[in-house]
Amino acid sequence: QVQLQESGPGLVKPSEALSLTCTVSGGTVYNYFWSWVRQAPGKGLEWIGYIYHNGTTNYSPSLESRVTISVDTPNNQFSLKLSSLTTADTGVYYCARGRMSLVYWGPGTLVVVS
Amino acid sequence: DIVMTQSPESLAVSLGERAAINCKSSQSVLDDSNNKNYLAWYRQKPGQPPELLIFWASTRKSGVPDRFSGSGSGTDFTLTISSLQAEDVALYYCQQYFNTPLTFGPGTKVDFK
Repeated sequence: QVQLQESGPGLVKPSEALSLTCTVSGGTVYNYFWSWVRQAPGKGLEWIGYIYHNGTTNYSPSLESRVTISVDTPNNQFSLKLSSLTTADTGVYYCARGRMSLVYWGPGTLVVVS
Repeated sequence: DIVMTQSPESLAVSLGERAAINCKSSQSVLDDSNNKNYLAWYRQKPGQPPELLIFWASTRKSGVPDRFSGSGSGTDFTLTISSLQAEDVALYYCQQYFNTPLTFGPGTKVDFK
């Protein structure tokens, strides 16, 4: 069974950058697309972007200027970097497998910008 | 971007009764070349990540109970829970994957009456 686990700081200061890592177990990052999705407190789901194992990326236009997603195939991980944070970036950040329907999700990690 | 809307915002259903959630996309998510609707449904229980229930508008993910069914085509879709169970009290989201950015509906809260 594929499992995903997000890791990273829970508290970040405004104007700084957020770095999160998603570790994949029970499967490989090869031959799959990997997405990041976030959810502001009490709000809906917002797709951030995805990456393929070869490094091909696709970002949401609303975040594209601040987002970088990368993949570390030897360690079976992929990462999210979001720069120039504001309080509007507070929320739960999920990693997931897929670029269409998202089949597997991590439990999510709460990031507070304050 | 394709804008997804859902109705109702919330609904209360008795245990064992039927629940239906509607989802509408601002443009068609049907690919005429393969006759597939690029639409998924998720259930999100409190404090948990979303769980994929349905993809291609009507295909149940393996392991999902058959009380969940999806229907519709083009711009109008419905998720039906034929007999509400305790574990179905949750938020439900539709999502289109016809185009990027992937977009989700605002969610429908299902609770017990």
